[in-house]
Amino acid sequence: DAKTTQPNSMESNEEEPVHLPCNHSTISGTDYIHWYRQLPSQGPEYVIHGLTSNVNNRMASLAIAEDRKSSTLILHRATLRDAAVYYCILRVNYGGSQGNLIFGKGTKLSVKP
Amino acid sequence: DAGITQSPRHKVTETGTPVTLRCHQTENHRYMYWYRQDPGHGLRLIHYSYGVKDTDKGEVSDGYSVSRSKTEDFLLTLESATSSQTSVYFCAISGTGTGNTIYFGEGSWLTVV
Repeated sequence: DAKTTQPNSMESNEEEPVHLPCNHSTISGTDYIHWYRQLPSQGPEYVIHGLTSNVNNRMASLAIAEDRKSSTLILHRATLRDAAVYYCILRVNYGGSQGNLIFGKGTKLSVKP
Repeated sequence: DAGITQSPRHKVTETGTPVTLRCHQTENHRYMYWYRQDPGHGLRLIHYSYGVKDTDKGEVSDGYSVSRSKTEDFLLTLESATSSQTSVYFCAISGTGTGNTIYFGEGSWLTVV
């Protein structure tokens, strides 16, 4: 299974940028990098995904290393509502599941006022 | 937000009874998934479907069966509920291709006593 490595926890101050790292050294050429977050008692929420190039959307930016073995999720201005567990996931195209998401333990982000 | 509805949202049942959880989507997506989430394990895939009447097993399928008779509905059945199946169950949907986003429902909390 494609695996990712993330720090267990990180802290940030409100209104400051947050950089959440992820290592995925076993990534293959067709694997997409997905980021999800999960707030307490809610389902995982899609944040962003990419293949090779950096990506931006209204929630965050995704910076992908040139060799694709690591990536960084960037929250430009953390708010208290961004406190959640963030999952970095490789979506692998194999079998009939069209790339089931394999969740690790993620990074628990705490945001201080 | 993706149109995914899970029912029931909360259920308490007795050991040995059958239980069915329903996932309903309004997005006409081909792929549907059932995950369970337990403390210390993250989300784990139970079963998935890649079309009407087309289903396959995930990593923790023992004790569960699924059915998909219509594109919009994916049912998860616990044939004889056990206490080890006390968990939070999440349904997810996705279009075809690993570059597509997987969207999750709000979850169904099941307690087996």
